[in-house]
Amino acid sequence: QKEVEQDPGPLSVPEGAIVSLNCTYSNSAFQYFMWYRQYSRKGPELLMYTYSSGNKEDGRFTAQVDKSSKYISLFIRDSQPSDSATYLCAMSASGGSYIPTFGRGTSLIVHP
Amino acid sequence: SQTIHQWPATLVQPVGSPLSLECTVEGTSNPNLYWYRQAAGRGLQLLFYSVGIGQISSEVPQNLSASRPQDRQFILSSKKLLLSDSGFYLCALVIRRGTDTQYFGPGTRLTVL
Repeated sequence: QKEVEQDPGPLSVPEGAIVSLNCTYSNSAFQYFMWYRQYSRKGPELLMYTYSSGNKEDGRFTAQVDKSSKYISLFIRDSQPSDSATYLCAMSASGGSYIPTFGRGTSLIVHP
Repeated sequence: SQTIHQWPATLVQPVGSPLSLECTVEGTSNPNLYWYRQAAGRGLQLLFYSVGIGQISSEVPQNLSASRPQDRQFILSSKKLLLSDSGFYLCALVIRRGTDTQYFGPGTRLTVL
């Protein structure tokens, strides 16, 4: 079993839909949870960062962490064609290891 | 805020040729620096990381090497490229504030023929 599991997709949705992207993990020591967006042929850019459990909202994006289920989600409201990209989850334990574990990414396509 | 520069942006090299990819950082000092490779259809593979000048940790044994001659410079090298070295090479940094939040550079796309 991989430490972080993420469905590669592609996930295809119509413009305006609510998108749910998810990752599961096995390491209960993970405390820091990140979501990155990567456009084709570009480096990943940090979208959301969450520490421990709970929700965090930033505009149309909401990150949710459920440590009891070892499950994290990224919700995108009112999805736009410009949201079409690969979304990578990442997570790490505390203690300054500075080496996060990444999911393989989910490809999202938002069609007009 | 920090900025990561990588060059070249794209590179096509023959098998057996040498390689040198450069990453430089602005806007921060004493960062942790990382080299990742992203092959087509695969996830991010951590190759090397560095916590300071001259300090390199290798995550995957292969024909690549890394060096950090200056605080804000990280170099990825190879003496002889293999076909399997093709991929998208990403430099990343962590600002040491107690989190593992990484910021990525624009990447170098390497094709070995």
